[in-house]
Amino acid sequence: GAVVSQHPSRVICKSGTSVKIECRSLDFQATTMFWYRQFPKKSLMLMATSNEGSKATYEQGVEKDKFLINHASLTLSTLTVTSAHPEDSSFYICSAPTPGLIPLFGPGTRLTVL
Amino acid sequence: AQKVTQAQTEISVVEKEDVTLDCVYETRDTTYYLFWYKQPPSGELVFLIRRNSFDEQNEISGRYSWNFQKSTSSFNFTITASQVVDSAVYFCALFTGSARQLTFGSGTQLTVLP
Repeated sequence: GAVVSQHPSRVICKSGTSVKIECRSLDFQATTMFWYRQFPKKSLMLMATSNEGSKATYEQGVEKDKFLINHASLTLSTLTVTSAHPEDSSFYICSAPTPGLIPLFGPGTRLTVL
Repeated sequence: AQKVTQAQTEISVVEKEDVTLDCVYETRDTTYYLFWYKQPPSGELVFLIRRNSFDEQNEISGRYSWNFQKSTSSFNFTITASQVVDSAVYFCALFTGSARQLTFGSGTQLTVLP
């Protein structure tokens, strides 16, 4: 059945390095995917909309040069956190709508920047 | 603008009790979709239900039931005979054509005690 996978599930990196997170739709194609960030005990905050074949759309306050998004194919979107700093530590979740327009979510990636 | 309010931040019940999670939404769109998601401690958001604005029929799925009332802009979720495995954060979300993105409520942390 339709599933959204996300990799890695957990990553620890040093300050100043870049981290890439992959989001894949399995058994369905998604021209649009969404990237969220979630702080502890908080709701999901939409960061950006990833569009296959065109530039991502970023929400207000999200630095596009820091959070690079590439929608490489109809089943893959990547989020790269560049020059990561401790304040970037968070839980990142991707989402893709199924052909039936049900937003499915990946299992999330917990990023810790030391 | 779209808004989803989950006034209950935390709820604690004893196993086998029934519990209702409240969700109130605001939108000027006449066509919209409402969702409920479950987020267990693992972090992954699990899709529970989607309801469109033209379908006010209540729905039951096993121990879960949903009460959609457009007159009060509410989409409440009831768990009957709760179980410890129901412990999670539950999010209500709204999708409208004008926003073209999910608007999440702040979530309700449900704890079911044995």
